[in-house]
Amino acid sequence: GAVVSQHPSRVICKSGTSVKIECRSLDFQATTMFWYRQFPKKSLMLMATSNEGSKATYEQGVEKDKFLINHASLTLSTLTVTSAHPEDSSFYICSARGDGGVTDTQYFGPGTRLTVL
Amino acid sequence: AQKVTQAQTEISVVEKEDVTLDCVYETRDTTYYLFWYKQPPSGELVFLIRRNSFDEQNEISGRYSWNFQKSTSSFNFTITASQVVDSAVYFCALSETPNAGNMLTFGGGTRLMVKP
Repeated sequence: GAVVSQHPSRVICKSGTSVKIECRSLDFQATTMFWYRQFPKKSLMLMATSNEGSKATYEQGVEKDKFLINHASLTLSTLTVTSAHPEDSSFYICSARGDGGVTDTQYFGPGTRLTVL
Repeated sequence: AQKVTQAQTEISVVEKEDVTLDCVYETRDTTYYLFWYKQPPSGELVFLIRRNSFDEQNEISGRYSWNFQKSTSSFNFTITASQVVDSAVYFCALSETPNAGNMLTFGGGTRLMVKP
């Protein structure tokens, strides 16, 4: 149980294009999903918290117009990197948590490696 | 504000050795949760354990064991008889809110390399 998927696992795009990353909770309903960014050999940096049906809460220093987050259902959140630049290249990881019991823990997706040329 | 420190950035051991990964945390809350996650080279974070602040019992799961000591604000992780497959980055994390699944603060991670 508590499986989270991410798609795509790897994406290469040209500078200026937009990229959408999907995060799905496969076997539980996720009222809250989180988006993290991880640079090589570094820890995870929380970008934003999204609750189903409401606007995401962004961490300080994260541009909400650049990193669009949508949490349209209890099993799906999307992160769109708009007008991507090479400095946006990174490993993006989502996590999802349910409510109570064993799901009251963040479970992580496998990550998406974004390379912007 | 909360903080998690993993002082060991890299540890290298030979297979079958025991290894302990240290985690020290800071928090003002009396209710909090501590976690360990494993990140193998594939990148996915694998949940290993969750412990709440009221439960100081040590836990053992196979070759893994955890030592939670509130007096020293530490939540150390020991792997017994390490194997090559244990090679990964291990993250300790803290959640201060009553809800265990919210707002994780991660330590910097410890890269464990187990050599055959």
